[in-house]
Amino acid sequence: DGGITQSPKYLFRKEGQNVTLSCEQNLNHDAMYWYRQDPGQGLRLIYYSQIVNDFQKGDIAEGYSVSREKKESFPLTVTSAQKNPTAFYLCASSIPGSSYEQYFGPGTRLTVT
Amino acid sequence: AQSVTQLDSHVSVSEGTPVLLRCNYSSSYSPSLFWYVQHPNKGLQLLLKYTSAATLVKGINGFEAEFKKSETSFHLTKPSAHMSDAAEYFCVVSNTGTASKLTFGTGTRLQVTL
Repeated sequence: DGGITQSPKYLFRKEGQNVTLSCEQNLNHDAMYWYRQDPGQGLRLIYYSQIVNDFQKGDIAEGYSVSREKKESFPLTVTSAQKNPTAFYLCASSIPGSSYEQYFGPGTRLTVT
Repeated sequence: AQSVTQLDSHVSVSEGTPVLLRCNYSSSYSPSLFWYVQHPNKGLQLLLKYTSAATLVKGINGFEAEFKKSETSFHLTKPSAHMSDAAEYFCVVSNTGTASKLTFGTGTRLQVTL
């Protein structure tokens, strides 16, 4: 089955620690995205990548970093510089282009205390 | 710049009655528009999309939406609600160009009662 996997589903960290969220897709999509979701808000774009070894900042990139070394993988690191890291994080992929829908993974809920 | 406004944060309907979730958009160009559904603690699933073809778009699970340029609206409807429709629904607009960047509305929580 083609799809997007995110692991783990729940993640707990202490304040001041960096943490990396995994995202893998086998849809052969060139573009991948990371979103953050907070209660009562829509999704906000953190980073996106349209091709391997290239990525761009989204609307709320501060305190986050990404890499795109393989087409299938787009890991997100939440650094200690992110002031409010507790949130639901969603990864997505698509064929590049504004008319193509994005396919979403099941999400990772990160709690930082 | 583009934006999306979902006019209701919460909608409650009885099972078997019609569903209407309202969405207005703002875009400088002819937009692509989407409706996604999210069940609790899950990822988003595409319900339907409009990409400048037919203005009445049919999606999965009996949902449909009509693109009205004059009203800048893209409301989501379903003739008869089912308990399984209870979820969060997001109206989304995509910018033009090669980068598929989506702008999300804040969501409408649909409650379905017996």
